[in-house]
Amino acid sequence: DTGVSQDPRHKITKRGQNVTFRCDPISEHNRLYWYRQTLGQGPEFLTYFQNEAQLEKSRLLSDRFSAERPKGSFSTLEIQRTEQGDSAMYLCASSLGYSPLHFGNGTRLTVT
Amino acid sequence: EDKVVQSPLSLVVHEGDTVTLNCSYEVTNFRSLLWYKQEKKAPTFLFMLTSSGIEKKSGRLSSILDKKELFSILNITATQTGDSAIYLCAGGSQGNLIFGKGTKLSVKP
Repeated sequence: DTGVSQDPRHKITKRGQNVTFRCDPISEHNRLYWYRQTLGQGPEFLTYFQNEAQLEKSRLLSDRFSAERPKGSFSTLEIQRTEQGDSAMYLCASSLGYSPLHFGNGTRLTVT
Repeated sequence: EDKVVQSPLSLVVHEGDTVTLNCSYEVTNFRSLLWYKQEKKAPTFLFMLTSSGIEKKSGRLSSILDKKELFSILNITATQTGDSAIYLCAGGSQGNLIFGKGTKLSVKP
């Protein structure tokens, strides 16, 4: 069990730029989740996939955010035209069916 | 609106003390209640509770769920400095978990 892997660990970008994060789940896990966490808050749900199908998206998810999981393995989360309010830790998690979510170490995004 | 509320938000104790962390929830499509420990980065899984009144135990940690009163508690006995962390509670159906803000526990030597 190599755990959930996220890349990069840190990203600093200027407002208006696009950024893309990658998540590699635990290999046998069929579900993959994206959450966002800001200081002093718990993780906030963004979206999740079962295999390659995106099953649910948060109503809070702006249309500047898009996630893909093209072959049902790794996933990418893209943020277009970044804003300072997008600064946060982006957490990826995976699970096998209804088993508990296992989180990666996250990608910390800073928008200047 | 779905919500999970944790109390206290922060707690300072001395090694050897016993602590109880509280979590209340109002979540539609509720399936399970989960507890996580977050130190510096990834939340690490502690317990998943789906049935009311059945205590789950792992070493010095234990947790129980009350689905009638919509709350859960996490107990830590004989606390150690390594227990210092943020403890997160989350409820919901699989996928869309609603997290509380967490309880920051500090254990002093």
